[in-house]
Amino acid sequence: ELKVEQNPLFLSMQEGKNYTIYCNYSTTSDRLYWYRQDPGKSLESLFVLLSNGAVKQEGRLMASLDTKARLSTLHITAAVHDLSATYFCAVDTYSGTYKYIFGTGTRLKVLA
Amino acid sequence: NAGVTQTPKFRVLKTGQSMTLLCAQDMNHEYMYWYRQDPGMGLRLIHYSVGEGTTAKGEVPDGYNVSRLKKQNFLLGLESAAPSQTSVYFCASSYPTSGATQETQYFGPGTRLLVL
Repeated sequence: ELKVEQNPLFLSMQEGKNYTIYCNYSTTSDRLYWYRQDPGKSLESLFVLLSNGAVKQEGRLMASLDTKARLSTLHITAAVHDLSATYFCAVDTYSGTYKYIFGTGTRLKVLA
Repeated sequence: NAGVTQTPKFRVLKTGQSMTLLCAQDMNHEYMYWYRQDPGMGLRLIHYSVGEGTTAKGEVPDGYNVSRLKKQNFLLGLESAAPSQTSVYFCASSYPTSGATQETQYFGPGTRLLVL
């Protein structure tokens, strides 16, 4: 069974600090996705990681993928209040049936 | 270019009633998906479609039916609503590039459904 686990589930941090969110998954997949969701809103795509060693950066966020360890990280550099949101990772696989599995999400609160 | 839209935004049903949620996209995407999101949980895939006239079951399909008669529309039906189907429903679409190696999904604004 494909499982996607994120940690931490909740993260409260001060502005200007750095932190990393971890996403572990349980089956072979070369594709991992990161999304952002603001309270009461829809999901917005942040990153698509398509191969082992992939690294992508956008502003203060950087995502990486290690398919051998089945691990992706989302690193936050010098956090600002606008980054407060819930972050989801997701993995997809196909073996007869298509599966697109989301992690439970990490709720990030950046304190001014 | 409206992206992905969902109708209605909010609905209250009584147990046993039926309803249809409509998802429409104007990006000419091949793939469309229906998810539900419950408090404290990630999204769970209900059904999906890889093209007009095709549908397939996802992770939690029981109690739901879908249809994709037109490429731009994906309908989610609840034949006999149950309180356990109280949730926020999101529709999404994607257009895989060659070899289906890039499947960023574009999400609609969501439909909040309350079943009493």
